[in-house]
Amino acid sequence: ETGVTQTPRHLVMGMTNKKSLKCEQHLGHNAMYWYKQSAKKPLELMFVYSLEERVENNSVPSRFSPECPNSSHLFLHLHTLQPEDSALYLCASSQDRQGLNQPQHFGDGTRLSIL
Amino acid sequence: DQQVKQNSPSLSVQEGRISILNCDYTNSMFDYFLWYKKYPAEGPTFLISISSIKDKNEDGRFTVFLNKSAKHLSLHIVPSQPGDSAVYFCAASAREYGNKLVFGAGTILRVKS
Repeated sequence: ETGVTQTPRHLVMGMTNKKSLKCEQHLGHNAMYWYKQSAKKPLELMFVYSLEERVENNSVPSRFSPECPNSSHLFLHLHTLQPEDSALYLCASSQDRQGLNQPQHFGDGTRLSIL
Repeated sequence: DQQVKQNSPSLSVQEGRISILNCDYTNSMFDYFLWYKKYPAEGPTFLISISSIKDKNEDGRFTVFLNKSAKHLSLHIVPSQPGDSAVYFCAASAREYGNKLVFGAGTILRVKS
């Protein structure tokens, strides 16, 4: 039990579908993150939310749309994805304190396959 | 251009011996370094970290060493156990960049019994 829960664990969708990935953290953290891990590549940061405000968007295509309704929940809305978007999507959270480094804690990810 | 590099894709070690995982970085602004461990079908689990003001941090069987002049860090696991078999990721961040983590590609560790 990592304190960060992601659903669904697996998702198969067509290129024209719309779906959402959900992440919930039970650690009382104030920052949440979406990462993408493609085969044989390092984890790539996609989005950062701190205190429910998006503070980072790492040149991610607009077919990925994040939403952070509160500090415990994070969504990634998916629309018109491409086959190259098939990957493991990981959510993480941390306690963001100015001047203090804190580790991020990860969920188990959603394995996404685009047909 | 990869700022954090783990040049060994895999490492095999006998149970009870020391495992040494290496990581190199290029950005001198990095001031916080972490190691994560990942089992199949699970997310990365935080193991140990070190701030740039230190050169060593120890937690049980795990020790991280930081050599700032060489821009190199290593994770030592001793003694290694079969349950340590996993993928190990090195990550780095900088306060100037809002503590965004930059990850290496990972090293697969196999501990043989």
